[in-house]
Amino acid sequence: ETGVTQTPRHLVMGMTNKKSLKCEQHLGHNAMYWYKQSAKKPLELMFVYNFKEQTENNSVPSRFSPECPNSSHLFLHLHTLQPEDSALYLCASSQDPGTPSTNEKLFFGSGTQLSVL
Amino acid sequence: GDSVTQMEGPVTLSEEAFLTINCTYTATGYPSLFWYVQYPGEGLQLLLKATKADDKGSNKGFEATYRKETTSFHLEKGSVQVSDSAVYFCALRGSQGNLIFGKGTKLSVKP
Repeated sequence: ETGVTQTPRHLVMGMTNKKSLKCEQHLGHNAMYWYKQSAKKPLELMFVYNFKEQTENNSVPSRFSPECPNSSHLFLHLHTLQPEDSALYLCASSQDPGTPSTNEKLFFGSGTQLSVL
Repeated sequence: GDSVTQMEGPVTLSEEAFLTINCTYTATGYPSLFWYVQYPGEGLQLLLKATKADDKGSNKGFEATYRKETTSFHLEKGSVQVSDSAVYFCALRGSQGNLIFGKGTKLSVKP
């Protein structure tokens, strides 16, 4: 148990559906992240939140909409997704976002396996 | 830009075999380097790290040495166990402060 909980574990949705992924961390961390894990591709950083403020958006399509109501909760709202969006979506947290020289680690949740039909 | 390249998997070994998973990186300066491991059905967790040249990170019998001259951080273990079966990710702390991961290498250890 890493202290980062994601729900649901599995999600199947159609291209016209609207769904949300939830992440909760019980570690008192200030930074939270969404990553996308696809087969045979590097882990892709999607969004970074620091003290509830979004600090990075790596050119993610607008059909993915993050929300961070407080430093313990992070959501990823999904709408009109495409089949190529099928992947494992991982949430992570850290005490702070870090600088290039920091060696602080990330704590990951188990992920939500998303299938878009 | 900053990037990480690690060997393609899957890697299949017999129990007690020697393991090497290669990792090389491209980055500005001397970033911190990490190995994360993902066991089946779980998220990633930190395995080991190194923050400067010639540092050796170690944990659970795994080791990796930060080689500045070859920009490498290869993961090694002298004798693997079935319980080591997982996906291993090499990562670096990029110039923007975020972690940049490789594609992952799947390891399967047979009894």
